[in-house]
Formats: sequence, structure tokens, C-alpha cells
Amino acid sequence: DAGVTQSPTHLIKTRGQQVTLRCSPKSGHDTVSWYQQALGQGPQFIFQYYEEEERQRGNFPDRFSGHQFPNYSSELNVNALLLGDSALYLCASSLGATDTQYFGPGTRLTVL
Amino acid sequence: GESVGLHLPTLSVQEGDNSIINCAYSNSASDYFIWYKQESGKGPQFIIDIRSNMDKRQGQRVTVLLNKTVKHLSLQIAATQPGDSAVYFCAEYSNAGNMLTFGGGTRLMVKP
Repeated sequence: DAGVTQSPTHLIKTRGQQVTLRCSPKSGHDTVSWYQQALGQGPQFIFQYYEEEERQRGNFPDRFSGHQFPNYSSELNVNALLLGDSALYLCASSLGATDTQYFGPGTRLTVL
Repeated sequence: GESVGLHLPTLSVQEGDNSIINCAYSNSASDYFIWYKQESGKGPQFIIDIRSNMDKRQGQRVTVLLNKTVKHLSLQIAATQPGDSAVYFCAEYSNAGNMLTFGGGTRLMVKP
């Protein structure tokens, strides 16, 4: 039973660029949530996707957008990258919006 | 892998001793709580959860206690092992929103 997978593992970008991160949920899960984890802090909720729609959003600017595909996989897009966007980006999947969330290994984004 | 929680509170215990990690939550409407373990270079791993209609739940070597009166959550690990060394996060979930809110985390160091 495959767990949550994310790609790429690491990514280096420069300020102003755009980035796309990808997530495949755990088998049987239909909901994907994205989190940003800065060094030394707990994960911060970005948004959640269910039935290909954004259902809930945290306190993140519109530069952060996402998408969910019919196979439940998801993408996180960040435009106009800032140095402060450097973080570990985590994807979590669940069966429904309120069920236990299981996390992937994350994508480490470094913005130079 | 990357370092997680460089400036987090640290609990240092001897191998074989019991560990207690504490967490205060802020939202009295939260009705579901989860403890996650995060090792360096990995995403958070589900340990145990508890709903607000319970005050104690036990798993294998772990116990979670919930005190709703003072909005306090604790994780007890029995016979702590070197493999338990990690950063531990509590997370709260409210029916009002489909997102997890994470606490700041505690680093557990187990001395052999």
C-alpha cells in the first residue's frame, strides 16, 4: 500500500520564479492538504482540495495556488517566489476532509 | 536530511525511562487532536489521536491525555527508546474548518 508521495525532493529557485510541487495521495484517499513548514516551526496550513475544488484556505497570499486532478493527485504552485518562501512543503492526504491526515516526505524548496 | 526544530524546546531522557511531552491548545472549539512524530528529513508521522469526548487513549507504548478544562494535551511514551528521538507536534482540528493547526513542537532526545 503506497503512502503519500511528493516530487521533487529538493528544488532550488531564484526570486521571482515560479514553482510547481506535486503530490500523490495514499491509496484510497480523496482529500489533499498542503502545508508549509519553516525551519524550527510546525507546519502551517496552506489549503485543502476535495473533489477537485479548494475547500479551505489558510492565511497565504494568492501567489499560492493549487489544483487537484480526477485521480486525486494534486499540485501546489507558487508564483513570484520570495526568499521567505524557502521551506519544507508537505502534502497530507485523508479520506474526507475531517479524517486523519497522513503526510508525505515533503519537498524542500530553497529560494536564492 | 534537513534539520527540523533547531530552536525547539528539548526534552532529554534516559533510554528506558518514561517521557511526557506537553502541549497547550488555544481553540476551545477544537474537537479532535493528533500527535505527530517528525524525524529529520521526513514528513510528520501519525502516532495517536483522541477526540474531545474522551480524556485518555492508549496505543502501543503511547498514551494521550486530554484535559479540556485547561486546554492541555500530553503524550506519554513508556520505556523510551533511541528510535523515539524526534520532534513531536500536537495538532488540533476543529469542525469549523477543515485544517489542522499545529503546535510549536518539542524535540525528544533519548540518551543510551
